Amino acid sequence: DAGITQSPRHKVTETGTPVTLRCHQTENHRYMYWYRQDPGHGLRLIHYSYGVKDTDKGEVSDGYSVSRSKTEDFLLTLESATSSQTSVYFCAIRALAGRLNEQFFGPGTRLTVL
Amino acid sequence: AQSVTQPDIHITVSEGASLELRCNYSYGATPYLFWYVQSPGQGLQLLLKYFSGDTLVQGIKGFEAEFKRSQSSFNLRKPSVHWSDAAEYFCAVGADNNAGNMLTFGGGTRLMVKP
Repeated sequence: DAGITQSPRHKVTETGTPVTLRCHQTENHRYMYWYRQDPGHGLRLIHYSYGVKDTDKGEVSDGYSVSRSKTEDFLLTLESATSSQTSVYFCAIRALAGRLNEQFFGPGTRLTVL
Repeated sequence: AQSVTQPDIHITVSEGASLELRCNYSYGATPYLFWYVQSPGQGLQLLLKYFSGDTLVQGIKGFEAEFKRSQSSFNLRKPSVHWSDAAEYFCAVGADNNAGNMLTFGGGTRLMVKP
């Protein structure tokens, strides 16, 4: 358990509404990631952060933005949700030196956009 | 760019039978390789990892994987499958010289276990 929580765990929303998902960690990890999981695609990286206010895009970043104003929280925002963003969203952290590149995942948020 | 292919989308094995899940990767340098397992409705749990050294790595729950550079493969094996092993398995590749230390995942293999 890497001390990662995600909220909400489930959300149903309507097309065009803004949605924010929160990832919270308790172990002061520098790197945090947001992935989406869709059948047949595995996990695909949306955005990642390498420190407070330091973020960068991943493979599928269109339609998403992120913010990290403090170490423990990494927020993912869908400015105007679309049905194609219905997915399960996972947050991850990268463990510290000694376990290079090893990522640990939160429990996930299931988002349904109607 | 790095990529991972898991050729088998679904696999069904009988309880007690052996298991091998295939993973092929594409990466220009020495990769870091991982296998994760996801039970229904759950997050991902790390089964095992390869960074360097011995090419046969042991993981949790009786799983092992072998890194074969010549074949660009990192197949997951278990000698005797238990019903509780039914889950989805993901192979992933990463490196310490890519920006953000990102992982690239395969599409997953769903394992079903027959009694």
